[in-house]
Amino acid sequence: RKEVEQDPGPFNVPEGATVAFNCTYSNSASQSFFWYRQDCRKEPKLLMSVYSSGNEDGRFTAQLNRASQYISLLIRDSKLSDSATYLCVVTVYNQGGKLIFGQGTELSVKP
Amino acid sequence: EPEVTQTPSHQVTQMGQEVILRCVPISNHLYFYWYRQILGQKVEFLVSFYNNEISEKSEIFDDQFSVERPDGSNFTLKIRSTKLEDSAMYFCASSQPTSGGAVYNEQFFGPGTRLTVL
Repeated sequence: RKEVEQDPGPFNVPEGATVAFNCTYSNSASQSFFWYRQDCRKEPKLLMSVYSSGNEDGRFTAQLNRASQYISLLIRDSKLSDSATYLCVVTVYNQGGKLIFGQGTELSVKP
Repeated sequence: EPEVTQTPSHQVTQMGQEVILRCVPISNHLYFYWYRQILGQKVEFLVSFYNNEISEKSEIFDDQFSVERPDGSNFTLKIRSTKLEDSAMYFCASSQPTSGGAVYNEQFFGPGTRLTVL
């Protein structure tokens, strides 16, 4: 089983749409959770951390369910500039801060 | 805004040659990392480095790989004898020290070095 598994995508949505990404992780010792964004051939950039109580940053909402080992990201009112690959990332306790990445889900927002 | 820098942006080498990839982490960061991404695949952890020693390494990081912080600013990844399968984008990252709790701070990534092994 993959350590971090994401929806395969790609997601093609019109501007203004709401889109949801799902992610599951296999290690119950996973400790910190993030969504990163990666533009084509560029470095990953942190979009947001994911907290147990769920958290929101503008149009982006992240949820974590530790019991189900499930993480989600909701993007409301999609913009053209949201087009990118969204990476689900976890860390595991006592592994030197190592980030474990999912395969990523590609989002394409069309006019 | 401070950023991680990497040189060169693109390195082409012959199989069997040694390469050194260079990174300048953000100046007040103390944790340093190397990741790689083979074209079309996920980002994979290679190694983390703190207090002048490796704190964690992956199975990929075998005896062909080494890391060094030769001075107060640079952090390097050396591949001793490159193989075709080492062709990938290599990302350096750095992060601030944590406050001692269990949560790790954000890692900031450099723009990457694209390594092509012929």
